[in-house]
Amino acid sequence: GAVVSQHPSRVICKSGTSVKIECRSLDFQATTMFWYRQFPKQSLMLMATSNEGSKATYEQGVEKDKFLINHASLTLSTLTVTSAHPEDSSFYICGGSRDSYNEQFFGPGTRLTVL
Amino acid sequence: ELKVEQNPLFLSMQEGKNYTIYCNYSTTSDRLYWYRQDPGKSLESLFVLLSNGAVKQEGRLMASLDTKARLSTLHITAAVHDLSATYFCAVDGNQFYFGTGTSLTVIP
Repeated sequence: GAVVSQHPSRVICKSGTSVKIECRSLDFQATTMFWYRQFPKQSLMLMATSNEGSKATYEQGVEKDKFLINHASLTLSTLTVTSAHPEDSSFYICGGSRDSYNEQFFGPGTRLTVL
Repeated sequence: ELKVEQNPLFLSMQEGKNYTIYCNYSTTSDRLYWYRQDPGKSLESLFVLLSNGAVKQEGRLMASLDTKARLSTLHITAAVHDLSATYFCAVDGNQFYFGTGTSLTVIP
């Protein structure tokens, strides 16, 4: 149980385009979803936290207008990178939690490369 | 902000040897998690530690939590090559705070 999927697993896009990444909890209801980015050989950095039906809470330094997060249902959250630039190239991982213990279950990640 | 430090950052060890990875954190929390990450992959959950004194073991890995010392350890017994990966601890302090990671290489 507690499986999270992400789509796509890998995306290459041109600078200036927008990219949408989907995160789905397949066998549980994720009351809260988290989005992380990870640069090579570094730890995970939390970008934002979202609760179903509410606006996402962004971490300091993360541009909310650039990284649009929608948590439309208890099983789906999306991250849209708008007007992507090469510096947005990274590994993006979503996590979902379902209960008061807040254990997170992580998706397989999306590798974004912006040319 | 809660800070989580892992020690060492890089670890190269021979097969068959034992070693311990340390995870120190800066504020009170009684929930700590250990994850494994292989190159290009996401996180695989290893252990969930939910109370002071918790100890869990799976195969060659054993994790413990001392909330008073704000310290968790991940002990590796008789390492094998398949354990080569990056290991992260994460502390639950209203959000997940990830450690810096420990890159483990087990040499035959």
